[in-house]
Amino acid sequence: GAGVSQSPSNKVTEKGKDVELRCDPISGHTALYWYRQRLGQGLEFLIYFQGNSAPDKSGLPSDRFSAERTGESVSTLTIQRTQQEDSAVYLCASSSQGTSGTVQFFGPGTRLTVL
Amino acid sequence: KQEVTQIPAALSVPEGENLVLNCSFTDSAIYNLQWFRQDPGKGLTSLLLIQSSQREQTSGRLNASLDKSSGRSTLYIAASQPGDSATYLCAVSMEYGNKLVFGAGTILRVKS
Repeated sequence: GAGVSQSPSNKVTEKGKDVELRCDPISGHTALYWYRQRLGQGLEFLIYFQGNSAPDKSGLPSDRFSAERTGESVSTLTIQRTQQEDSAVYLCASSSQGTSGTVQFFGPGTRLTVL
Repeated sequence: KQEVTQIPAALSVPEGENLVLNCSFTDSAIYNLQWFRQDPGKGLTSLLLIQSSQREQTSGRLNASLDKSSGRSTLYIAASQPGDSATYLCAVSMEYGNKLVFGAGTILRVKS
């Protein structure tokens, strides 16, 4: 596709439920990133995938958060037993890691609301 | 731990004015710095990327400068327009291809 896509665009869930968020990166981009933006706050890094290397999970806030990526394609971010503080916009980005630099291209985000 | 600060938090200017947004970072050993704009309900759009070896980058009415040793960057917007209204984010990367550390942003409103 032309850009990074994310689904769903909005998700409302009840506290304690599990949710899955999906990211489709730009075709050919080897790097994929997940960030979180809570209301009124800056973006926080969550996890980074680069090719077949082990992902950098240093930003995941708790063991309730996990993410997977199949090859250099789709990624899913899973939040188990959601809490109200998980409410945020979850943004995915991808980059080509080529000679043009490391510009990250962002998707529109998934707005998660935990009631 | 790298921390990025943006000043001012919000700015309101009349159309046509030139303006400067400021970004500072605590660890000067950055790989690169990016400026983004974020529109309500939308993702981020990359505006300019400055490698650590560069001093500035220009794109149209936008000019970003980098003073790595002092830990500062500025985004200059010339002849502002109402369409420039958005949140502007500064972000640094400490390694090639690695995660970005973001500032909290500057909310810009350009009045017609």
